[in-house]
Amino acid sequence: DTGVSQNPRHKITKRGQNVTFRCDPISEHNRLYWYRQTLGQGPEFLTYFQNEAQLEKSRLLSDRFSAERPKGSFSTLEIQRTEQGDSAMYLCASGIAVSYEQYFGPGTRLTVT
Amino acid sequence: DQQVKQNSPSLSVQEGRISILNCDYTNSMFDYFLWYKKYPAEGPTFLISISSIKDKNEDGRFTVFLNKSAKHLSLHIVPSQPGDSAVYFCAASARTQGGSEKLVFGKGTKLTVNP
Repeated sequence: DTGVSQNPRHKITKRGQNVTFRCDPISEHNRLYWYRQTLGQGPEFLTYFQNEAQLEKSRLLSDRFSAERPKGSFSTLEIQRTEQGDSAMYLCASGIAVSYEQYFGPGTRLTVT
Repeated sequence: DQQVKQNSPSLSVQEGRISILNCDYTNSMFDYFLWYKKYPAEGPTFLISISSIKDKNEDGRFTVFLNKSAKHLSLHIVPSQPGDSAVYFCAASARTQGGSEKLVFGKGTKLTVNP
């Protein structure tokens, strides 16, 4: 399967713990996006990379959130000191610079207890 | 404020009939629009898109219409099939200075196609 993959698919953590999610984009895609989706809402943009450079961050991305794409391939999203409000589906998407289309992975569902 | 609005949370149609899903937007800077389909426990799947320089794009059973003056677009599915039952998201994008083309999504419309 050559689509976008995300790991883990589900994560349950206690409030205050740190969590890290991984996204592997489609191999030839140089753009990688993170979105968050809560119940009854559409996905909301968090941040975006072109190759290894993080070029845009949403105001939704508080100081507790950090994302990296060290070699321009896979990306990680870390949430420090998790809060119950962080419970959501975290979606990763990839694309190429000349196209608007973004292709999404299956998501990581985070539950903070 | 919500820049992309899908005012119908749900829609139910009979198999073989037409499904029409609607979407309105407020930001005149949007120049590209996309529709995604989402099944439970899966990520959104790209369906069809349209550039603001066009008013119609067709791909098999799926057609998207864009009315720029009304800031309105619609997705037509003909004929509807039970496998089309899913949540449909409208998304829009604008070429910002940073060129990210981040997508702004509506809240989705749940389509149910009854056999």
